[in-house]
Amino acid sequence: DSGVTQTPKHLITATGQRVTLRCSPRSGDLSVYWYQQSLDQGLQFLIQYYNGEERAKGNILERFSAQQFPDLHSELNLSSLELGDSALYFCASSLRGTGLFSGELFFGEGSRLTVL
Amino acid sequence: GIQVEQSPPDLILQEGANSTLRCNFSDSVNNLQWFHQNPWGQLINLFYIPSGTKQNGRLSATTVATERYSLLYISSSQTTDSGVYFCAVKRVQGAQKLVFGQGTRLTINP
Repeated sequence: DSGVTQTPKHLITATGQRVTLRCSPRSGDLSVYWYQQSLDQGLQFLIQYYNGEERAKGNILERFSAQQFPDLHSELNLSSLELGDSALYFCASSLRGTGLFSGELFFGEGSRLTVL
Repeated sequence: GIQVEQSPPDLILQEGANSTLRCNFSDSVNNLQWFHQNPWGQLINLFYIPSGTKQNGRLSATTVATERYSLLYISSSQTTDSGVYFCAVKRVQGAQKLVFGQGTRLTINP
């Protein structure tokens, strides 16, 4: 158990719909990262938050948005879903998120999204 | 951005065999992690090893940062070692994100 909690574990929805994925980081970790794993793209970085502020952005679509709340949990919102958005979405956390060393990242079990 | 190449892409072995997985990266890094993704999709931390050598049971890893590669050794393989092994790195300069390689798929047959 990494200490990172993601919900829901599985989600099936239809094209055009909107979903929210939730992540609780390890106790004491200030930084949260979101990754997408699809069959053809591998593990792709989406976005990072540190202590409530966006720190880095990767290949995140405009239809996707995220935020980190004062209690440090994070949500990833996916809207106008398309078939190609079907993937495993991971959240990770680390103690730090700024400066030279981020420290070790720990991943949750992922949320498997299927868009039909 | 930084390039991360893992080899071999696929590896099939009999139980009890030893294996070496390689990760090459194209820039200086200050974070390197090895993960095992099991058949259920979970990403399990194996090593946090930006440099040096570490051992944990049947697994060990070595990172030679100056030559930009890392090796993961698995000895006396068991069927539960099957899955995909990922190397991920963070550049010294730039964002805090980890960049993943494409992975090595390891299959251990009984």
